[in-house]
Amino acid sequence: DTGVSQDPRHKITKRGQNVTFRCDPISEHNRLYWYRQTLGQGPEFLTYFQNEAQLEKSRLLSDRFSAERPKGSFSTLEIQRTEQGDSAMYLCASSLALGLAPEQFFGPGTRLTVL
Amino acid sequence: RKEVEQDPGPFNVPEGATVAFNCTYSNSASQSFFWYRQDCRKEPKLLMSVYSSGNEDGRFTAQLNRASQYISLLIRDSKLSDSATYLCVVNAGGSQGNLIFGKGTKLSVKP
Repeated sequence: DTGVSQDPRHKITKRGQNVTFRCDPISEHNRLYWYRQTLGQGPEFLTYFQNEAQLEKSRLLSDRFSAERPKGSFSTLEIQRTEQGDSAMYLCASSLALGLAPEQFFGPGTRLTVL
Repeated sequence: RKEVEQDPGPFNVPEGATVAFNCTYSNSASQSFFWYRQDCRKEPKLLMSVYSSGNEDGRFTAQLNRASQYISLLIRDSKLSDSATYLCVVNAGGSQGNLIFGKGTKLSVKP
């Protein structure tokens, strides 16, 4: 257990519904990252925050995806109008802002299934 | 060309074997390099960072060749508990947060 928690662990939804995932980072970590992982692939970067500022977004992050970290602590990732292609494991990670690319500690992930 | 490419695997080896994983990356601006380990249905965990001078941590040795944009991981005296997927990871050039993961190489150590 790295100390990063994610909720829910599993989510099954119907196509077209909206879903929201929550990530609680390690308490002293000021950076928070979201990744998506599909079967047989490595995680793919979606976005990251330093404190409450969203510093970078991948072009993978379509308009249907939005992430927030309003108080610089927990973060939410919302997917609107879900599609079957959104089915994946959504991983959150956190780190301290030290050096160029500090060690990122991953949470257990939220597995999304879109029917 | 994929940004991070790894041996496809899987690698099936007996206990005690030495196994080597190779990885190449395409972005010459990448500055940070890592090997992560991911157990089945678990989150990735940092195994080790990789430095230009090479580094060793017990049975694990990582090497980086910036000129060839090549990273390697050597596992000596492999244990059953080493069975996992090994992910080669680099940071996107110019980014402090965007890690680019390879697809991973699955290792299975058999008794």
